[in-house]
Amino acid sequence: TQLLEQSPQFLSIQEGENLTVYCNSSSVFSSLQWYRQEPGEGPVLLVTVVTGGEVKKLKRLTFQFGDARKDSSLHITAAQTGDTGLYLCAGARRQQAGTALIFGKGTTLSVSS
Amino acid sequence: KAGVTQTPRYLIKTRGQQVTLSCSPISGHRSVSWYQQTPGQGLQFLFEYFSETQRNKGNFPGRFSGRQFSNSRSEMNVSTLELGDSALYLCASSGQGGISYGYTFGSGTRLTVV
Repeated sequence: TQLLEQSPQFLSIQEGENLTVYCNSSSVFSSLQWYRQEPGEGPVLLVTVVTGGEVKKLKRLTFQFGDARKDSSLHITAAQTGDTGLYLCAGARRQQAGTALIFGKGTTLSVSS
Repeated sequence: KAGVTQTPRYLIKTRGQQVTLSCSPISGHRSVSWYQQTPGQGLQFLFEYFSETQRNKGNFPGRFSGRQFSNSRSEMNVSTLELGDSALYLCASSGQGGISYGYTFGSGTRLTVV
């Protein structure tokens, strides 16, 4: 059972369209992070949200952390071809041995011109 | 400042061999984590090291091991390679805020086992 479910798994859209990617769990996280990964490279951190209900904006990207800190969404306005990539959400959970970061399987976004 | 550096970028090994991967974290970062990324399973946590001690470990067999040196550089070793070990191995470091505030990842080592 995947602890963090991301949807959709794949998304193919035209430049200029809007889209939303979801990250859901039945577990509570102390923080939630979003990364973007391009082929052949490691993931790059986009944002960290910590407080339930928190909304953060990064240019055309809007990130929201659910009130109960179990889910998050990423909304992209007017997508561009440069937004193409694998979007990963990751939740931080405190465990006995320390904090663990659990990743969803990702959403592959393809934006065409 | 320099990012997280992983070497080598690509490796081809034969089943049964062993391999050592290296990671240099961002200067000043004391926590180094390792992940395995495959198309089917996504990113799976291997282990985390902090100040030369393994602080957390994922659910991987004992063939996967790691260590961290006093300068925070880390290595991971996989012994008796299996075909299923073919993957992108990613190293990530985190600073004073800890893992909860995010990782900086390296570009990864692409391991192919034949």
